[in-house]
Amino acid sequence: AQSVAQPEDQVNVAEGNPLTVKCTYSVSGNPYLFWYVQYPNRGLQFLLKYITGDNLVKGSYGFEAEFNKSQTSFHLKKPSALVSDSALYFCAVRDSLDAGNMLTFGGGTRLMVKP
Amino acid sequence: DTAVSQTPKYLVTQMGNDKSIKCEQNLGHDTMYWYKQDSKKFLKIMFSYNNKELIINETVPNRFSPKSPDKAHLNLHINSLELGDSAVYFCASSQGYAGRTEAFFGQGTRLTVV
Repeated sequence: AQSVAQPEDQVNVAEGNPLTVKCTYSVSGNPYLFWYVQYPNRGLQFLLKYITGDNLVKGSYGFEAEFNKSQTSFHLKKPSALVSDSALYFCAVRDSLDAGNMLTFGGGTRLMVKP
Repeated sequence: DTAVSQTPKYLVTQMGNDKSIKCEQNLGHDTMYWYKQDSKKFLKIMFSYNNKELIINETVPNRFSPKSPDKAHLNLHINSLELGDSAVYFCASSQGYAGRTEAFFGQGTRLTVV
């Protein structure tokens, strides 16, 4: 069975500072990993994904994430946070051995960027 | 142009009623999904539908049924609504299963059962 954990319900960061939103996963095969962002009263928007290849993945709005197989992590990062980055962030995983082909989402982390 | 659109955006109804939520995607994707987001923002897959193959999350009550008239539409029918069905329901689509490709989400339908 696949699972994903986002250990922090909320992350607070000052504008201009670097931010990290944590994600760890558990799969039986190889992980396919995604980050999505949800703004208030909106659907989820895709940010970036890791399927294979380079461990550092760059995505939309200046976000990037690093796949770390030994730590089973896929933390989301941005060098300089903006107030407009404040939103709910979801990590998601699919196990390459999962015949159901379904994504499992983490519980979400609310990012608050203060001016 | 809206890529994935859901109607209605808000739905308030009484317990025991039957209701439907419509979803349409204009992206030409071959796979569509329904997700439920509860009050704690936890997001759970309900169904995926690909080329007439329906994959159901076994925890979803059989009061919920997806109906796909064509590849661009996946509607959600809910019978005998219960208070616990109150949530935000998201439709999504992807090209191929969203295990390798990213999914595009609609703006959600907030269902309130009173």
